[in-house]
Amino acid sequence: DAKTTQPNSMESNEEEPVHLPCNHSTISGTDYIHWYRQLPSQGPEYVIHGLTSNVNNRMASLAIAEDRKSSTLILHRATLRDAAVYYCILRDFISNFGNEKLTFGTGTRLTIIP
Amino acid sequence: EAGVAQSPRYKIIEKRQSVAFWCNPISGHATLYWYQQILGQGPKLLIQFQNNGVVDDSQLPKDRFSAERLKGVDSTLKIQPAKLEDSAVYLCASSLDRTTNEQFFGPGTRLTVL
Repeated sequence: DAKTTQPNSMESNEEEPVHLPCNHSTISGTDYIHWYRQLPSQGPEYVIHGLTSNVNNRMASLAIAEDRKSSTLILHRATLRDAAVYYCILRDFISNFGNEKLTFGTGTRLTIIP
Repeated sequence: EAGVAQSPRYKIIEKRQSVAFWCNPISGHATLYWYQQILGQGPKLLIQFQNNGVVDDSQLPKDRFSAERLKGVDSTLKIQPAKLEDSAVYLCASSLDRTTNEQFFGPGTRLTVL
């Protein structure tokens, strides 16, 4: 599995946007970029995923660099409930098989300051 | 829609004892996963089922860990005998099938081996 690099921790003020970076310089053409987050004492939760184009959903936006070697998860207005560990994961999709397994790194611990 | 259910939520045992964890995935989800999450690390996949068949158990320590999903619905993960290094949170997740991007995680079982 291709690897990702994320900062160990980040802080952000409540009600401000948060940009969580992820580097994946060895990404392959069939790797999708997935983001999960894990709130304290809970299992991980799917946030968003994308391949080449920027993606938006109700939780966040995903901005993907043109060369796909990096991406940024954007939380538009952070709340205290967004404090979590955020995982950026590359996941290959193989036709006739489906998704490769999720391989979690150590992620970025996001702290929201009231 | 009910989420992934796991029990027990907490378990404390002594080394060399055996323990079993139970998981009931979201109704209709064909794919079921067991992960191990050691403190400070991201979850690591132990085993993946597609219906009642094993898709990937490459990271399952088969000398002491076993898992089954006999009827293709709920699943049991067993450790026998337990070691100190098995202390971790055991997470169960499910997805509609292997082509689905989103995995839904349960709350996990926290195992402490003394």
